[in-house]
Amino acid sequence: GAVVSQHPSRVICKSGTSVKIECRSLDFQATTMFWYRQFPKQSLMLMATSNEGSKATYEQGVEKDKFLINHASLTLSTLTVTSAHPEDSSFYICSATGTGAFSPLHFGNGTRLTVT
Amino acid sequence: QQQVKQSPQSLIVQKGGISIINCAYENTAFDYFPWYQQFPGKGPALLIAIRPDVSEKKEGRFTISFNKSAKQFSLHIMDSQPGDSATYFCAASVISQNFVFGPGTRLSVLP
Repeated sequence: GAVVSQHPSRVICKSGTSVKIECRSLDFQATTMFWYRQFPKQSLMLMATSNEGSKATYEQGVEKDKFLINHASLTLSTLTVTSAHPEDSSFYICSATGTGAFSPLHFGNGTRLTVT
Repeated sequence: QQQVKQSPQSLIVQKGGISIINCAYENTAFDYFPWYQQFPGKGPALLIAIRPDVSEKKEGRFTISFNKSAKQFSLHIMDSQPGDSATYFCAASVISQNFVFGPGTRLSVLP
């Protein structure tokens, strides 16, 4: 099956620093990648949608200057949390779909971010 | 209209029993309905998906039933096992764009 690799799986950083999370589609070309945030025991909250080579589309309420998304190639997207604060601590998950009209959505294994 | 409702919020089933999770939607433009299984600390994994041109799809112990007129679909897990204990999310989308997820169902299968 299709594999989406996300790194790192866990990261602890100090308040005010920036953290980069990588998301790679290993065996398919991901025309669209999605970034989600998940709070404990809650559903997936879409943060932004990115298509290769174009600017990401952010959901309402998501600060685009804080959560920088780059989709540089058909297999790589990155999320950078800039000037992180404790309230940014969360579980971040990327996902990707391929080129077909009903291409399944495949998820990475998530990144647990803790800001101290 | 973009919401997907899911019930129950939590479910406890004995080993060997049938687990049933229900979802409902309003947007008739949705044409792709996947189910995901998520274990703690992991990303969701695609279980099974259905399109509205069929009323049922079965893969192993997992079956999706789809009722287009009622705008409802459900996941049935036959012969539930403790290893099935996880959170299950239904979702809906229009040609794999703009996925909308249900709030999730926490399933516990007792040994």
